[in-house]
Amino acid sequence: DAGITQSPRHKVTETGTPVTLRCHQTENHRYMYWYRQDPGHGLRLIHYSYGVKDTDKGEVSDGYSVSRSKTEDFLLTLESATSSQTSVYFCAISEIGGGAETQYFGPGTRLLVL
Amino acid sequence: GQQVMQIPQYQHVQEGEDFTTYCNSSTTLSNIQWYKQRPGGHPVFLIQLVKSGEVKKQKRLTFQFGEAKKNSSLHITATQTTDVGTYFCAGRTGGGADGLTFGKGTHLIIQP
Repeated sequence: DAGITQSPRHKVTETGTPVTLRCHQTENHRYMYWYRQDPGHGLRLIHYSYGVKDTDKGEVSDGYSVSRSKTEDFLLTLESATSSQTSVYFCAISEIGGGAETQYFGPGTRLLVL
Repeated sequence: GQQVMQIPQYQHVQEGEDFTTYCNSSTTLSNIQWYKQRPGGHPVFLIQLVKSGEVKKQKRLTFQFGEAKKNSSLHITATQTTDVGTYFCAGRTGGGADGLTFGKGTHLIIQP
């Protein structure tokens, strides 16, 4: 799906430790997104990027930061992980053309914060 | 902020029965998208609706966008076991690409 990979795919960490999740895309898409998915909440936007070094906050950005130094990589960092950040994290890209938009999602990262 | 409500949360059907999920937005949408997520998988794009009153079909799936561009529905005719999963609607209010607001999804469970 649109050449999106996420790493790691699974991670267990302890409260208070920093964690960085990586999203990599191979097709030079401008827009990239980080969502988290939790039971009963669906998918919620954390941060998004509209170009290299251009990022903005989403609905649930507290406790998260992002960076995009290259078109192909969008990093999500939990500065000091908390148990409430246990979740499945999805990266996505938007393919836009001819007035139509399609979001493609990566395979997800399952994060457990103990 | 924008809210997208989706009902029902769960739907059990017998194989061969029809299924419908509904989506309502608190604000007028510029477009609405539908996604399917299989258990353990990632969301997969199904369709985008842009025009007021638009109806699109994909085989057994029919998607509608309301006249006021605040509601949408997905209808599956004669469900099959391959339809199992969670169906999400996702709305966008502006013309940019600043992220979608997702409904909480409808879990479709099919009993053979």
